[in-house]
Amino acid sequence: RKEVEQDPGPFNVPEGATVAFNCTYSNSASQSFFWYRQDCRKEPKLLMSVYSSGNEDGRFTAQLNRASQYISLLIRDSKLSDSATYLCVVNKGSGNTGKLIFGQGTTLQVKP
Amino acid sequence: EAGVTQSPTHLIKTRGQQATLRCSPISGHTSVYWYQQALGLGLQFLLWYDEGEERNRGNFPPRFSGRQFPNYSSELNVNALELEDSALYLCASSADRLNTEAFFGQGTRLTVV
Repeated sequence: RKEVEQDPGPFNVPEGATVAFNCTYSNSASQSFFWYRQDCRKEPKLLMSVYSSGNEDGRFTAQLNRASQYISLLIRDSKLSDSATYLCVVNKGSGNTGKLIFGQGTTLQVKP
Repeated sequence: EAGVTQSPTHLIKTRGQQATLRCSPISGHTSVYWYQQALGLGLQFLLWYDEGEERNRGNFPPRFSGRQFPNYSSELNVNALELEDSALYLCASSADRLNTEAFFGQGTRLTVV
């Protein structure tokens, strides 16, 4: 089983749609969780951290379910510019091993 | 404020040669991470440096090595290059070893021919 698993997609959605990505992680001791966005042939950019209480940043909402070891990202009112690969990232283990584990990414294509 | 900078942007080497990649973290950041991203694949963890020491290492052979300097910049060295080492090498930095958010440089695209 992969340490961080994501549905690779692609998710093809029309502009204005709401889309949700899910991610599961295997290490129950994981401490920190993030969503990154990566455009084609570019570096990943931090989108948002994910907190136990859930957090929202504009059209983006992230949720964490520790019991199910599950993270989600919801994008409302999709824009063409949201087209990218979204990476789920987990800090493996306690005591900070310095090893951020990246999922394979979920590709989103927003169409006019 | 300058972000994470990496050099060179592109590097072409022949099989068997050595490659040296460089990374300057965000000012004030002490932790530097190296990742390899082969074409079409996910990010694979290579190395983590903090306060000048190697703190963790991914599942890569010993010919992948590096170091962190007193000013927290870092070098990744790849010896005896193989064709499958061709990839985008990404460096990230974070403010401390508590693994707060990490920020990436634009990467070095290494091509081994």
